[in-house]
Amino acid sequence: NAGVTQTPKFRVLKTGQSMTLLCAQDMNHEYMYWYRQDPGMGLRLIHYSVGEGTTAKGEVPDGYNVSRLKKQNFLLGLESAAPSQTSVYFCASSYSTTGNPYEQYFGPGTRLTVT
Amino acid sequence: ELKVEQNPLFLSMQEGKNYTIYCNYSTTSDRLYWYRQDPGKSLESLFVLLSNGAVKQEGRLMASLDTKARLSTLHITAAVHDLSATYFCAVDSSGGGADGLTFGKGTHLIIQP
Repeated sequence: NAGVTQTPKFRVLKTGQSMTLLCAQDMNHEYMYWYRQDPGMGLRLIHYSVGEGTTAKGEVPDGYNVSRLKKQNFLLGLESAAPSQTSVYFCASSYSTTGNPYEQYFGPGTRLTVT
Repeated sequence: ELKVEQNPLFLSMQEGKNYTIYCNYSTTSDRLYWYRQDPGKSLESLFVLLSNGAVKQEGRLMASLDTKARLSTLHITAAVHDLSATYFCAVDSSGGGADGLTFGKGTHLIIQP
């Protein structure tokens, strides 16, 4: 199993450009998440999905959109990139079992710079 | 709004010493998670604590949860250099389980020979 994968690993955008980050998981997890990590800030939840076709806002959703058309994929879109969106983006997925409910498994991250 | 506070945020210690990282959170939750992150890498799950009084140990690391005090601790015993990393605690954002986690800012741990 590849686990959680993210595409691309690095990207540089100019202000106003758009892009889509792709997250894929092969663990048949029901739940998926997008976080951003900024220096000294920990991780902050952008959007999440509790199932195929459903999405919800997290703590810092402004400037981002998401879609979950297939269970294994979760896309994060930036319609008009701003320098404040320079960050490392992590995707995660999780499931619920008796032993480890909702333990999240993280992808390798995407480092995005907006100039 | 759920707040998760870790302290210290930065810790430099010598090999062989013991130390504890503290994680306080502001609302009721029965689930707390500890993660490790090496520089430039992703997050690795260390512990999942599911109830009051839960204690888990893996090697030189031991985590505990006191839900009444809203406090979790990560104790390091006889530290070794390989444990140098940033450690995060995280709590369920809504208590519902599937709605994502709220993270502390992380404790940057450096263990010197």
